[in-house]
Amino acid sequence: AQSVTQLDSQVPVFEEAPVELRCNYSSSVSVYLFWYVQYPNQGLQLLLKYLSGSTLVKSINGFEAEFNKSQTSFHLRKPSVHISDTAEYFCAVKYNNNDMRFGAGTRLTVKP
Amino acid sequence: ETGVTQTPRHLVMGMTNKKSLKCEQHLGHNAMYWYKQSAKKPLELMFVYNFKEQTENNSVPSRFSPECPNSSHLFLHLHTLQPEDSALYLCASSQARTGMYGYTFGSGTRLTVV
Repeated sequence: AQSVTQLDSQVPVFEEAPVELRCNYSSSVSVYLFWYVQYPNQGLQLLLKYLSGSTLVKSINGFEAEFNKSQTSFHLRKPSVHISDTAEYFCAVKYNNNDMRFGAGTRLTVKP
Repeated sequence: ETGVTQTPRHLVMGMTNKKSLKCEQHLGHNAMYWYKQSAKKPLELMFVYNFKEQTENNSVPSRFSPECPNSSHLFLHLHTLQPEDSALYLCASSQARTGMYGYTFGSGTRLTVV
């Protein structure tokens, strides 16, 4: 079955520290990969996506994610987090049967 | 403003009530979706509409009834709900059913069934 696994349900980190949010998915011939962010009382916002080409993709606010086909992973990283990055982050995978699967989410809490 | 507007933002209803959730997008997208978000669980896809036609119903109980009168509007009609239906209901849209550019989500309707 197609599935998306976010390995950490909660990640606490201090401000200005680096962070990695992990995402693994069940393999398929071709996929599109996404990270979404959800702030309190809001819907999900697209953070970044991988469609093809360079395996490293970046967002405008300093996050980046790397597509690793052999490990079927799409981990999200930021070298230095801010208080404002506190939110829930969802990994999503679009399989070639048009089915978009979401992970259960990782709650990132940035502490001062 | 995300481009997808959901109303109401909060809804409390009794198990015998009938209510409707509304979703509206003016992004020119052709596909629209209803998702259910419960705590500690992955988003659950409920319904998919592509060019106003329902293309997926993921075994959703009949007490949830979707309606898509045009490509810009999507409704979710609710009746005789159960307390376990309490959740955040999210509407999303995408440029095409492939969704390869990602989905645009609304802010959701927080539903509480009492």
